[in-house]
This record gives sequence, C-alpha cells and structure tokens, in this order.
Amino acid sequence: NAGVTQTPKFQVLKTGQSMTLQCAQDMNHEYMSWYRQDPGMGLRLIHYSVGAGITDQGEVPNGYNVSRSTTEDFPLRLLSAAPSQTSVYFCASSDGVGYTFGSGTRLTVV
Amino acid sequence: GNSVTQMEGPVTLSEEAFLTINCTYTATGYPSLFWYVQYPGEGLQLLLKATKADDKGSNKGFEATYRKETTSFHLEKGSVQVSDSAVYFCALYGGATNKLIFGTGTLLAVQP
Repeated sequence: NAGVTQTPKFQVLKTGQSMTLQCAQDMNHEYMSWYRQDPGMGLRLIHYSVGAGITDQGEVPNGYNVSRSTTEDFPLRLLSAAPSQTSVYFCASSDGVGYTFGSGTRLTVV
Repeated sequence: GNSVTQMEGPVTLSEEAFLTINCTYTATGYPSLFWYVQYPGEGLQLLLKATKADDKGSNKGFEATYRKETTSFHLEKGSVQVSDSAVYFCALYGGATNKLIFGTGTLLAVQP
C-alpha cells in the first residue's frame, strides 16, 4: 500500500547512544517532515524538507539531524540520545494539499 | 507566527451526546484548517478539512466550519459513539514553507 513507512516501531536507547529513525514514502511527495508527540504538547515540528537536498529546522530541532538525499527518504538522526528525547516520533509527507503520516516510532531513552 | 489553540481535555461524554471541541487559530493570510484523529496506539488520520472561509468540512458525522471572523474551526458531532474515543488535533497549514502546525490535542472519552 502507498504511504509513509517508519522504522523501527519501538526502540530503547541508553543515554549518549546515537541512532537513525527511518522514514520512506512512495507517493513522490516533495515535502516531508518529522514531528515529536509528547503528552499535553501536541505534535511539534522537528525538521522538514521541501525537496531533495533541502532541509530546514522546525520548532524543536536541537539534538536532531536530518538529510534528504532522495525524494523518497528522510531519516532523522539522534546524535547523542538524552532522556528528554523520549517521545513518539511521526514522519509525514505532503503534496502541498494533504498530509500522510507514518504509524510512528516510540522511542525511550534510559 | 501561526498558532493553534484548542480546548484542553479530557472530554468525557455519554454515548449519543453532542460533541463540541473548540479550536481557534492565529495566522497571516488564508490558511487551510484540519482536524486529525488519533485512535489509541495508532498514527494520525485526517478527519476533515476546510481550505477557505465559510467552507464546512465533514466526515463520519463530524463537522467543522471555517469561520474567518472568529478565527475558529470548532469540531462538532451530533451523537457520539464509544468508537469515537480518541485524541483529536486541530491543525493549520499555510505559507510557502508548507508547515502543518498542530494544537495540543483533546482526548475524547465516550462512555456507553
């Protein structure tokens, strides 16, 4: 089925470890974004990309890196995980009209 | 900048009760407005949307009208069901950067 695929679904990291959350879409959408969801705070934009080779910061970019080498993929890298990064992460893509969300990655940093 | 404010939850209703979840926004220009729903353990699904003033979005018995004069997009349903229990997010989209900005979400719990 067409859509946004996120992996892994669950991850536990130790403080200081690094990892990459994967996001891929097969709808040829130019726009992709990463959000984190925390209780009482809704979804906050971390980074976004308006096309291959172009990325920009959202509301809460610190501690995260992104790159967009292809239209399909938009990985999110945690450089040195901290307990404050415990959250549920959602990737989304858009054709400028509607957004499609992945099913999320639940990350726990201990 | 753009922002969305929605009523805090949780909202607890009995089955067949009338639902209103308030949402107001601040934006420059003419944004598009959305309601997303998140069922337990799942991702976000688009519930309905409106792209210009006075438009009414509707889906699955839910409705919301884009009111530019009051900068509001309140979600309503005439008779809720237990299966409507979920978190509802109001969102705004607008501007050249294609940013989708969310409210904090409202948890709805419908009791039989």
